[in-house]
Amino acid sequence: SAVISQKPSRDICQRGTSLTIQCQVDSQVTMMFWYRQQPGQSLTLIATANQGSEATYESGFVIDKFPISRPNLTFSTLTVSNMSPEDSSIYLCSVEGRGQETQYFGPGTRLLVL
Amino acid sequence: RKEVEQDPGPFNVPEGATVAFNCTYSNSASQSFFWYRQDCRKEPKLLMSVYSSGNEDGRFTAQLNRASQYISLLIRDSKLSDSATYLCVVNMSIGEVEGSQGNLIFGKGTKLSVKP
Repeated sequence: SAVISQKPSRDICQRGTSLTIQCQVDSQVTMMFWYRQQPGQSLTLIATANQGSEATYESGFVIDKFPISRPNLTFSTLTVSNMSPEDSSIYLCSVEGRGQETQYFGPGTRLLVL
Repeated sequence: RKEVEQDPGPFNVPEGATVAFNCTYSNSASQSFFWYRQDCRKEPKLLMSVYSSGNEDGRFTAQLNRASQYISLLIRDSKLSDSATYLCVVNMSIGEVEGSQGNLIFGKGTKLSVKP
């Protein structure tokens, strides 16, 4: 499986500010994904990030709130904009796995918004 | 109706016990099924895929019943290190659909605690 790293691993932010989360993969992958896992909840897909095109957002998530970049096949960023306490969550990036049916996850970024 | 539902848990079992988790899914067109394991404050990690014929990996056995839209995970001779949350995951993609890898639907997970 791919080795995936995320930065920062955790952060505490003030409401109204923005945070950019980085995801780095040790091999080239076509598709990268961004998820959110709120406390006690399952993982929810925010968007799919393809290199060279705009990200595809799931229902309930919009580009203005969660802008995504995918400048190459090994890197992506997710920005959480104009944060509120409701954005406190774990944000995880993932990449396609073997057989392209599964996904492998980065270690996650724990975000607390005060 | 939730797309993927799991036993609420938590399951508290002694070492050596056999424990079974159940999961149901709502979309009959679902194609692929998985169990992931998530340790506390860690990312989910793929435990095993689930096939119609059933599959076994050491102490772990996964079963799929497409007619009942039901998935199960059996852990035999449980170890302290098995303590984690087990996530039932369903891939809703159909064939070679662009972006299909993004259609993983996660259950909320079942927490297992194995005690000495």
